[in-house]
Amino acid sequence: EAQVTQNPRYLITVTGKKLTVTCSQNMNHEYMSWYRQDPGLGLRQIYYSMNVEVTDKGDVPEGYKVSRKEKRNFPLILESPSPNQTSLYFCASRGQPANTGELFFGEGSRLTVL
Amino acid sequence: DQQVKQNSPSLSVQEGRISILNCDYTNSMFDYFLWYKKYPAEGPTFLISISSIKDKNEDGRFTVFLNKSAKHLSLHIVPSQPGDSAVYFCAASARNTGFQKLVFGTGTRLLVSP
Repeated sequence: EAQVTQNPRYLITVTGKKLTVTCSQNMNHEYMSWYRQDPGLGLRQIYYSMNVEVTDKGDVPEGYKVSRKEKRNFPLILESPSPNQTSLYFCASRGQPANTGELFFGEGSRLTVL
Repeated sequence: DQQVKQNSPSLSVQEGRISILNCDYTNSMFDYFLWYKKYPAEGPTFLISISSIKDKNEDGRFTVFLNKSAKHLSLHIVPSQPGDSAVYFCAASARNTGFQKLVFGTGTRLLVSP
């Protein structure tokens, strides 16, 4: 089954404790991206990657890091989480051609930073 | 600065009637538009898209209309069904960014009552 898998689905952590949200896709997609969803703000892009070792900032990259060492994986790293990073996070992937826009989303990871 | 706006946070419609969800955008460089549907505890799923060279695209009960001069698009669902109850996100991308950055609106929650 074609899917994007995120882990963990739910996480409560404390300020400053480094965490990683993993994302894996089994569709051999070149493009992967991270979004956060907040009330009244919709989905905002954090980082995206066009292929292995190619990453770029989205609209809200501050406080986040990503890496793309393998095509299937695109982890989101919060080196020192803060309460304003409490949010619902979605990983997504897309094959070619790029302009189809059909992103496949994971089920989301709800993060709470105390 | 919200480049994609969905000014109606919610919409209630009776089963069998038409649902019309609206979306406005400010960036004239956007030339590809998409609608995503999101159920609770799930990731968004792609619904329908339209290129700026068209003014209408239809897929079964779903039709998207694009008015470039007004920078406005709308999603029509006819007839509406209770299973259509979800949050709908409008999204836009631009060729000049290689369609790599997808900008989402804030979403409209549709409730279809029997």
